[in-house]
Amino acid sequence: GAGVSQSPSNKVTEKGKDVELRCDPISGHTALYWYRQSLGQGLEFLIYFQGNSAPDKSGLPSDRFSAERTGGSVSTLTIQRTQQEDSAVYLCASSPSGSFYEQFFGPGTRLTVL
Amino acid sequence: KNEVEQSPQNLTAQEGEFITINCSYSVGISALHWLQQHPGGGIVSLFMLSSGKKKHGRLIATINIQEKHSSLHITASHPRDSAVYICAVRSGGGADGLTFGKGTHLIIQP
Repeated sequence: GAGVSQSPSNKVTEKGKDVELRCDPISGHTALYWYRQSLGQGLEFLIYFQGNSAPDKSGLPSDRFSAERTGGSVSTLTIQRTQQEDSAVYLCASSPSGSFYEQFFGPGTRLTVL
Repeated sequence: KNEVEQSPQNLTAQEGEFITINCSYSVGISALHWLQQHPGGGIVSLFMLSSGKKKHGRLIATINIQEKHSSLHITASHPRDSAVYICAVRSGGGADGLTFGKGTHLIIQP
């Protein structure tokens, strides 16, 4: 079956612009995660959605970052007024239910802020 | 916040060797993940475990909850095992996201 998909695969933007990154989780998976992988920083957790519950936003680095998940499926991560330090690979993962299950990762979106 | 340490950071070995990668964490957890990332590739989940030992093919993962330590072993290593191996933990107390180690860069030479 189809895995987790993300779009775009690459995004180049100018400092100060807003960007939207999209994630399509595996069908039927109720849990969805966003992570960021920066050079020299490794992977870090950003936000977690589980069903219709309020998301866990504890990993978002600033109020320029926000995410939503419509209809319990597709998710969009929005970065407003991008900065050069936002350059990273943004990864989405989904799991069948909650955080006690294996996570399936998407291919990521490589964001470059000039 | 949980601190996750992996060792070694880099490991080069010959094909056929037995490989061990270690992971320690500072705070009690509810689950530990081992992930694999090939150069330029995506991340694949290898194991998720909360106690004991799991085996899949040539890969074995163990965890010692009391010592806050896990190991990933690769038997009969092969050049296609060359990748970055990442340990990640889910802490208890309602924290849902994973905290990641910095990864172990493994190269298996033919």
